[in-house]
Amino acid sequence: GQQVMQIPQYQHVQEGEDFTTYCNSSTTLSNIQWYKQRPGGHPVFLIQLVKSGEVKKQKRLTFQFGEAKKNSSLHITATQTTDVGTYFCAALWGFNKFYFGSGTKLNVKP
Amino acid sequence: DVKVTQSSRYLVKRTGEKVFLECVQDMDHENMFWYRQDPGLGLRLIYFSYDVKMKEKGDIPEGYSVSREKKERFSLILESASTNQTSMYLCASSSPRLGKETQYFGPGTRLLVL
Repeated sequence: GQQVMQIPQYQHVQEGEDFTTYCNSSTTLSNIQWYKQRPGGHPVFLIQLVKSGEVKKQKRLTFQFGEAKKNSSLHITATQTTDVGTYFCAALWGFNKFYFGSGTKLNVKP
Repeated sequence: DVKVTQSSRYLVKRTGEKVFLECVQDMDHENMFWYRQDPGLGLRLIYFSYDVKMKEKGDIPEGYSVSREKKERFSLILESASTNQTSMYLCASSSPRLGKETQYFGPGTRLLVL
């Protein structure tokens, strides 16, 4: 099947440090979504990117979609303990079919 | 608020048993999905359905079947459970009508097959 590679698998940061997770695909994507899963919880939708080169911000979170629509990133500025969780990208291929990256587990030390 | 519910949070079954996992959504969504989540592997799509009685295989359909007799309900069936099907199972729904194709997830069912 289609693959979306997500790195890193784990990231441990000190509170206040920045954090970035990356998703890469070998093929052009229709769109890409980002989800957050808190420990013990289920994935919750954060955002969807559709346009080439698109950049969207949600407070301390910045989401980018590459010019070639083959990669995306999520950057968190000045992490807080509430940011702890696993962040997934999900790429849409074809008709309503999503492929999730393996996720980046973020741990924030206070 | 969209609500996606799953019939059980935790389930323990024996090898060879037939297992039914049920998912219900209350937002009239056309699309419903079943994923399994395993450490380091993310979410892998088992099956999805884009309409009543319609289904399509995902990446890992082997050992599973699904049923969608009503729009709000999507069932995942393990015909003969095996230990390698021990996992977290997540159901999700979405609607292309909303233009965002946001997936709303249920709380998950953690299945242990002994």
